[in-house]
Amino acid sequence: AQTVTQSQPEMSVQEAETVTLSCTYDTSENNYYLFWYKQPPSRQMILVIRQEAYKQQNATENRFSVNFQKAAKSFSLKISDSQLGDTAMYFCAFMKQQTGANNLFFGTGTRLTVIP
Amino acid sequence: KAGVTQTPRYLIKTRGQQVTLSCSPISGHRSVSWYQQTPGQGLQFLFEYFSETQRNKGNFPGRFSGRQFSNSRSEMNVSTLELGDSALYLCASSLDTVKNIQYFGAGTRLSVL
Repeated sequence: AQTVTQSQPEMSVQEAETVTLSCTYDTSENNYYLFWYKQPPSRQMILVIRQEAYKQQNATENRFSVNFQKAAKSFSLKISDSQLGDTAMYFCAFMKQQTGANNLFFGTGTRLTVIP
Repeated sequence: KAGVTQTPRYLIKTRGQQVTLSCSPISGHRSVSWYQQTPGQGLQFLFEYFSETQRNKGNFPGRFSGRQFSNSRSEMNVSTLELGDSALYLCASSLDTVKNIQYFGAGTRLSVL
């Protein structure tokens, strides 16, 4: 079974500062995907960033980057130059790389508040 | 391109009733997955449909069922509603390619009284 753990229920950051959200996971799979999704108060789950486990290079998307440590099963999200619009719940998620296993396993989420 | 559309946005039902939720995926997406989100259990996978067939199923009782139509639209049904079924139900669609990115709708908020 796959499990995803987010140990920080809540975090806050000053506008324009940098914040890192933690995520660890447990799996016996060798090929998989990892995701960070953002859920603002509007409830719409929005993809922030995606990482393929076979790629050693950390994914980046503008102000968002990850630190993927496969051996440690760690997948943290760094948000640089935080903006008020980054205030949301952030979910770390895991998906097997396997046909017919197109489901996400989610962590419990981290509520991020960006303070003006 | 239009995103994933879920209807209705809100529903109020009473115990014992049944309910049907609808999801229209992004055009061209053939995979539709459903998730339940509650404060206590978090986000849990219900089932996935691909080409009108249920391809994958989570650990939910048989009261939860779904189907997919030939245009990839999907419906989810919950029969004999219980108070614990109150939740946000999210639908996600994907191209089902190697990228495997799921795009979510805004959800249906179901309240069971």
